[in-house]
Amino acid sequence: AQSVSQHNHHVILSEAASLELGCNYSYGGTVNLFWYVQYPGQHLQLLLKYFSGDPLVKGIKGFEAEFIKSKFSFNLRKPSVQWSDTAEYFCAVNAGGATNKLIFGTGTLLAVQP
Amino acid sequence: DTGVSQDPRHKITKRGQNVTFRCDPISEHNRLYWYRQTLGQGPEFLTYFQNEAQLEKSRLLSDRFSAERPKGSFSTLEIQRTEQGDSAMYLCASSLGLLLTFGSGTRLTVV
Repeated sequence: AQSVSQHNHHVILSEAASLELGCNYSYGGTVNLFWYVQYPGQHLQLLLKYFSGDPLVKGIKGFEAEFIKSKFSFNLRKPSVQWSDTAEYFCAVNAGGATNKLIFGTGTLLAVQP
Repeated sequence: DTGVSQDPRHKITKRGQNVTFRCDPISEHNRLYWYRQTLGQGPEFLTYFQNEAQLEKSRLLSDRFSAERPKGSFSTLEIQRTEQGDSAMYLCASSLGLLLTFGSGTRLTVV
C-alpha cells in the first residue's frame, strides 16, 4: 500500500530563515504529488503539485518543491519564511487508480517566530 | 469560501448516540471523498463516491459508519452508536479530476 512519511513533525524557525520539509513516499509506479497547507482555523489548501515534467515545481506564496524520483522524495522549500507561514503542512500522494484518492503524511507543524 | 460546504462545523454528542454530517460539494464536481483527521495525524481516507455510486470504502469505515450521496449531489456521513474513538475532524472533498478541494470539516467530540 502507498504511504507517505514526513520526518519533521514540528519545526520552529525565525522569520527570514530558510525552510525545507521532508517528504518521502512508497510507491514504485507513476505518482502525482501534492503539498497542502492548513493555516490555523482554516481548511486544507493546495500549495503546489507535481504531475509530470520539470521536477522543480513552484507553488503559491514563494514555495517550491523538488521531485527526486530516485529518492522517492518531494521536499518542500522556501528561501525565507514569514510569520504568516505558520501553519501545518501535509504532503500527499495520488497513485492513480479509479478513485484518485490522496494518501497524506502525518503533517509538519511549522511555527515562525517574528 | 472554499466551495465545499460542511455542516455542522462542530458536533458534541454523547457516547452511543447517532450523528449525521452533511457535505455539499462544488456543484460541477462528480467525485466526492470523506476523510477523517485526528490530532497529530494527516487526513485518512474513508470513502469515495463517483456521482451517486460509492466505489471505495476504507477498512477504517466500520459497520457503524454509512455514507450516501443521493442523486450525485450532496453527501451524508452517519455514525451510529458513537464511541469516544470517533472523536475527530471529518473532512469532505470534491473534485473533477486530480485536484481535490476540501471543506472546512466537521469536528466531532464524543463525550
